[in-house]
Amino acid sequence: AQSVTQLGSHVSVSEGALVLLRCNYSSSVPPYLFWYVQYPNQGLQLLLKYTSAATLVKGINGFEAEFKKSETSFHLTKPSAHMRDAAEYFCAVSEIGGGNKLTFGTGTQLKVEL
Amino acid sequence: GAGVSQSPSNKVTEKGKDVELRCDPISGHTALYWYRQSLGQGLEFLIYFQGNSAPDKSGLPSDRFSAERTGGSVSTLTIQRTQQEDSAVYLCASSFGGGASSTDTQYFGPGTRLTVL
Repeated sequence: AQSVTQLGSHVSVSEGALVLLRCNYSSSVPPYLFWYVQYPNQGLQLLLKYTSAATLVKGINGFEAEFKKSETSFHLTKPSAHMRDAAEYFCAVSEIGGGNKLTFGTGTQLKVEL
Repeated sequence: GAGVSQSPSNKVTEKGKDVELRCDPISGHTALYWYRQSLGQGLEFLIYFQGNSAPDKSGLPSDRFSAERTGGSVSTLTIQRTQQEDSAVYLCASSFGGGASSTDTQYFGPGTRLTVL
């Protein structure tokens, strides 16, 4: 069974600083990979997804993620944090050929400080 | 257009009662998913429907949980004889496609917060 590990349940950065949220997957075959964001009292919104095309994926709101097979990672980055980026971020995988059901990580709460 | 809607937004019930949670997917979306978000278990897949295919029920935690999708649109998640551990936010999502190799974006509703006393 595939799984996702997000290191760091809470990450705090200063406004304007680099954002790095870590995600590692466990799967014998590289899966499809996703990052979702959840703002307070709202549903999940897709930031970006990797579907075995380009390994560097650009998403909305200036976020991007790079798929690294050798490291089984799909870390999310943003060069310069903004206050509005404060939210909870979830990494997720779906198994190729297994339908579109998602397996989520435990989430990382991002705090952005002045 | 309208997004995924769920009702009720909040539901408080007593242990042992049955509850029904409703999801209205985005019009034209053939796939519909239910997930559960709880403090103890994080975000978990429950069940998904794709067109007229038999639903994938592999994530349902017990036989007290069931779901149906009528007319390929609205879905109802039913929890019978609720327990306190069923307290969670139940999220519904839909996607345009959802076959075996689909990666179509799932659009999530705002969820139903269920509290079992």
